[in-house]
Amino acid sequence: AQKVTQAQTEISVVEKEDVTLDCVYETRDTTYYLFWYKQPPSGELVFLIRRNSFDEQNEISGRYSWNFQKSTSSFNFTITASQVVDSAVYFCARISSNTGKLIFGQGTTLQVKP
Amino acid sequence: NAGVMQNPRHLVRRRGQEARLRCSPMKGHSHVYWYRQLPEEGLKFMVYLQKENIIDESGMPKERFSAEFPKEGPSILRIQQVVRGDSAAYFCASSMGQGNTEAFFGQGTRLTVV
Repeated sequence: AQKVTQAQTEISVVEKEDVTLDCVYETRDTTYYLFWYKQPPSGELVFLIRRNSFDEQNEISGRYSWNFQKSTSSFNFTITASQVVDSAVYFCARISSNTGKLIFGQGTTLQVKP
Repeated sequence: NAGVMQNPRHLVRRRGQEARLRCSPMKGHSHVYWYRQLPEEGLKFMVYLQKENIIDESGMPKERFSAEFPKEGPSILRIQQVVRGDSAAYFCASSMGQGNTEAFFGQGTRLTVV
């Protein structure tokens, strides 16, 4: 199966620390899209980023940054100067190009302590 | 432009009853995806529908589960004779097209079977 793996089940940091969430994916597609979603304690899914497989430039959005390495099939997510409000479950996902369904990793639970 | 609307947000059913979960996609979206999130797990694809057609139901349990997306009205995920193991959060996503198009998620329906 072409799966998405988030090896870190839980991470706990203290506020203002930087934290990186790992994501490794498998695919046989030439073109594909990768995503990160945030699921706060309230339960909804919040879209964070979509990345095209042709675009390997790293992206930064405020305190969030993403490192896409096609050679290692990784799409890691870093939060700089973490805050308590960042506490959530974070999901990495890949889209199946022919049907559009998302294949999710198991999620990483991030706890940011004050 | 309202987002993806799911109702009810919370649903409690006794074992053996039927559960009906509704999803109204975003305006102009004709593609709907259903995902299930079991407790402490990631999201798993269930079914992909386009108006009046089931495109991919590879993630649907073989029995008791069905989905539809009629020409008029919301998409319905129906679970007959619910069991405790059906307790989960069910998310719906809609998009304008398949493949690389971003899917927007609803708030989810949390089903509890008692």
